[in-house]
Amino acid sequence: GDSVTQMEGPVTLSEEAFLTINCTYTATGYPSLFWYVQYPGEGLQLLLKATKADDKGSNKGFEATYRKETTSFHLEKGSVQVSDSAVYFCALSDSQGGKLIFGQGTELSVKP
Amino acid sequence: NAGVMQNPRHLVRRRGQEARLRCSPMKGHSHVYWYRQLPEEGLKFMVYLQKENIIDESGMPKERFSAEFPKEGPSILRIQQVVRGDSAAYFCASSFQENTEAFFGQGTRLTVV
Repeated sequence: GDSVTQMEGPVTLSEEAFLTINCTYTATGYPSLFWYVQYPGEGLQLLLKATKADDKGSNKGFEATYRKETTSFHLEKGSVQVSDSAVYFCALSDSQGGKLIFGQGTELSVKP
Repeated sequence: NAGVMQNPRHLVRRRGQEARLRCSPMKGHSHVYWYRQLPEEGLKFMVYLQKENIIDESGMPKERFSAEFPKEGPSILRIQQVVRGDSAAYFCASSFQENTEAFFGQGTRLTVV
């Protein structure tokens, strides 16, 4: 079945460092891809999404490009802030709705 | 416009008791999804409901778990005769239509002692 694999955490970076969190997927069709962020004690918030190959999702300085040839959707940010510390989840859906398949999550810790 | 509301935020139950988790979707949303997050794991889909109907329950354990979304009131995820392995965070999400963005609640953290 469909699945999502993302790099294990925790990832610890200094403020203003470059961030990459790898995400690859396996799907039989052409899914939509998502990144969600979970701040401590809160629910998940949609960070960005891409619905077809070569689409780039972007929000709050984060971006990810839907790469069909490598079945990847890596999350990047050029300069992280302490406030970016959270758990990041990569996910896919065969619709654009709420039935999502999630990766295991990657905890990011940004130090001042 | 209030977001997705889940209650309680924390729930402690002894083995063998029942747990009831509530989810009030965002105003105007009639689609509800339940997910379970076990420690150190990602979220796993459990069930998808529309008002008064279960659309997809492919992720629900076959025994002890049930879900409903009545015409009036919140969606309820019910776990009967809880066991320690049911300890997890349970998240609810809602959407306006099936293929539109889902918004998540803050979750209910169930601890079985």
